[in-house]
Amino acid sequence: NAGVMQNPRHLVRRRGQEARLRCSPMKGHSHVYWYRQLPEEGLKFMVYLQKENIIDESGMPKERFSAEFPKEGPSILRIQQVVRGDSAAYFCASSLSRETGANVLTFGAGSRLTVL
Amino acid sequence: DAKTTQPPSMDCAEGRAANLPCNHSTISGNEYVYWYRQIHSQGPQYIIHGLKNNETNEMASLIITEDRKSSTLILPHATLRDTAVYYCIVRGMIKAAGNKLTFGGGTRVLVKP
Repeated sequence: NAGVMQNPRHLVRRRGQEARLRCSPMKGHSHVYWYRQLPEEGLKFMVYLQKENIIDESGMPKERFSAEFPKEGPSILRIQQVVRGDSAAYFCASSLSRETGANVLTFGAGSRLTVL
Repeated sequence: DAKTTQPPSMDCAEGRAANLPCNHSTISGNEYVYWYRQIHSQGPQYIIHGLKNNETNEMASLIITEDRKSSTLILPHATLRDTAVYYCIVRGMIKAAGNKLTFGGGTRVLVKP
């Protein structure tokens, strides 16, 4: 049972380019979460999605960032017109669709974005 | 969500038990205690969670005080590979809480030979 798969693992972009990060959740998981970790800082929640729906985007920057989780295929975190401050590790997590009880998130290995 | 307080860092000797404290004095009755860790540059790894009772799995034990205001994560025989930042997180049940987990500063644990 493969875990949460993220790709690319490393991505280099020049300022002004677009970055697309992909996340395939664990088999059977229908909830996806994106977190960002700036160098030497903690993990910050960005967005929570279920299939075809954004449930909570309270941590997403207002501009240039978007996320989707289509009916088919991986979740995509898209960063337009990247700036140096976007350089960070981006972690995706997934969880089961459960109505009650605890909610255990399983994390991927992360995608490291470097903006030159 | 209830706030948690953890010591910023601690050392422990290889082969000995590591006892990581977490204070969550404002926890409410339906909130779980979760522990995750992040080994350098890797994705966070789930360790264990509990509600009221003590819990044990292949990685660790979780001891929750009777009043639930604090807990201790126990790594029974620490190895060098247990060096990581350990996060204690308190979160309510799914529907009420909205699912996401909020990470604080954690405890930076260094296991020494």
